[in-house]
Formats: sequence, C-alpha cells, structure tokens
Amino acid sequence: DTAVSQTPKYLVTQMGNDKSIKCEQNLGHDTMYWYKQDSKKFLKIMFSYNNKELIINETVPNRFSPKSPDKAHLNLHINSLELGDSAVYFCASSPIDGLNSPLHFGNGTRLTVT
Amino acid sequence: AQSVTQLDSHVSVSEGTPVLLRCNYSSSYSPSLFWYVQHPNKGLQLLLKYTSAATLVKGINGFEAEFKKSETSFHLTKPSAHMSDAAEYFCVVSEVDTGRRALTFGSGTRLQVQP
Repeated sequence: DTAVSQTPKYLVTQMGNDKSIKCEQNLGHDTMYWYKQDSKKFLKIMFSYNNKELIINETVPNRFSPKSPDKAHLNLHINSLELGDSAVYFCASSPIDGLNSPLHFGNGTRLTVT
Repeated sequence: AQSVTQLDSHVSVSEGTPVLLRCNYSSSYSPSLFWYVQHPNKGLQLLLKYTSAATLVKGINGFEAEFKKSETSFHLTKPSAHMSDAAEYFCVVSEVDTGRRALTFGSGTRLQVQP
C-alpha cells in the first residue's frame, strides 16, 4: 500500500551516461514534484506537474527532463550525467498545489555519479 | 520573499527529556508552516502543519508546535524524547508567490537521542 514509490532506490553510474528515475503515486493526487537533496540535506524543488501539465520548472539544467504520462506518474530523465548531479532525488505528491496542502514523499533515489 | 532559519543544525537530548527544535521564518504574507521528519534513508513525513486556525498545533508522535507571529517563530516541541525520534527535522514555509504556491525548506536539524 505504498503511497509514493520511486525506483530505483540506488543508482550508481558513470559520467556522461543517461538515466531515468520513475515515480508513481496511488493517492489520487493531482500534483507531483521532483526535489533534489544535496549532501548537506538541503532540499530544492526542481519540477512540479499538475494533472500532467508542467507548472514549475526551476533553474535546472536542460539535461533534466521530466515526463508525466498520466497524473499518477512523473518520471525524471537525466542526460549526460555529471559529478554534480550526485544527490538524493525525491518524488512527492499533493492533492492540489495549494497553500495548505502537505506533500507526500517517496523514499528517495540516491544517485551517485562516478 | 520568504525564508526559513532553523537555528540549530544538531540537537542532542537524553531519552525522556524535552525536545525543542527552533525555527524562525520571514514571509511577506500570512504563511502556512509545516514540520517534516526524515528518518535515515526515508522520505520526509509530515509531522504537523499550521494554517491560521489555531496557534498551537498538535502533530503525530506527541509533537506540537506554536506559531508566534510577534516572534516569527514556529518551534517544535515534545515533552519526552523517545529513541525513535532520532531523525532529521525540517521546518517549511508555504506562501503564494507570483500567483503560485512556493515552498521553502529550512536547512534541517538533526535530533540525536541518547539512552
């Protein structure tokens, strides 16, 4: 009965490779997000989608491309991986992108680029 | 623009003693405020939220927080720490900015609980 699930949990790859992280939520939420957590635990939003439509696209290199095939899925594809991309990536969802609406997070994908 | 400052990067308490994790915020408007907890290798889980209904907010696992507008604070407390409370805690402010909701996360406070 996992609410927000993301795969893989760990991802180790070499510089220059292309990789994807998948995220699915079974909560019926309309809004999904990708966050990046750096080594100092700082969390920064990357993207958010509302019902398959992109609504937030922060200053993220265009090597990162989100894709939402339906409102229950938001995948993250990363091209030409760089050392600085190493981080933990969290998928999250919320019922709406409202002021009081809490986020439900997945358990994270730890990406290590060597 | 909004910001969140968690005043302590690391707090250590003994099991059974009170917990205080401090958070100050700045916001142009009336914000909503949240506390999240992150256990090792896990995602963030909502502890509690303030949405202007009541200044003292009760959350899960015995945690509570008090919104003090005059002090722009939203400190998290618990009367008696348990070993399972050891985790990273994030204070978050939610505000409408340029027509959409903007969330700002604090830098986190690591709570250590000694036996």
